[in-house]
Amino acid sequence: SQQGEEDPQALSIQEGENATMNCSYKTSINNLQWYRQNSGRGLVHLILIRSNEREKHSGRLRVTLDTSKKSSSLLITASRAADTASYFCARGSNYKLTFGKGTLLTVNP
Amino acid sequence: EAGVAQSPRYKIIEKRQSVAFWCNPISGHATLYWYQQILGQGPKLLIQFQNNGVVDDSQLPKDRFSAERLKGVDSTLKIQPAKLEDSAVYLCASSSLKRDSPQTQYFGPGTRLLVL
Repeated sequence: SQQGEEDPQALSIQEGENATMNCSYKTSINNLQWYRQNSGRGLVHLILIRSNEREKHSGRLRVTLDTSKKSSSLLITASRAADTASYFCARGSNYKLTFGKGTLLTVNP
Repeated sequence: EAGVAQSPRYKIIEKRQSVAFWCNPISGHATLYWYQQILGQGPKLLIQFQNNGVVDDSQLPKDRFSAERLKGVDSTLKIQPAKLEDSAVYLCASSSLKRDSPQTQYFGPGTRLLVL
């Protein structure tokens, strides 16, 4: 079964706006990772947050992790049309990743 | 640094035929993964190798799927015979082996399989 379920399933925003995607999971993790997938292409690693961390930044990305609620959020600030993609969270444990179904983000120019 | 290479990029076959996919991981990466991604879903792990040994193949349909990683480098994934529900993108990923360090996986472009 897949864990790391993303919410919403789809999100459409205007260029320049912020986009927030959420991820929930069911079992314990060592880390939580976010990946991006452009249409018809492989996944690209965006950011990793360890289970003992609460917040992490990378450029326009901000990830938070709340292990008590078993949830994470990914914030993309000042979105661009090139950010249009599917975003997946993946629960990391024992050198293994379990992916959710993803959020399809559309950024309209 | 070269990325993960996969071939072919696209494959169309009829049901009950066989098909094979090839993956060349990033040089020096000990761990190699094969995922199946059905349209609209996230990747599902089929098999994980560490060097040339299998670490996890619990979700591999072993009656029709097989995979090998000879010499701990390249890997092939085979489906025989294919079913309609095998239509998906097959992704290969690799990661370096660092003790007590979270694993970032690097993905290839995938092979898109259509079974008619």
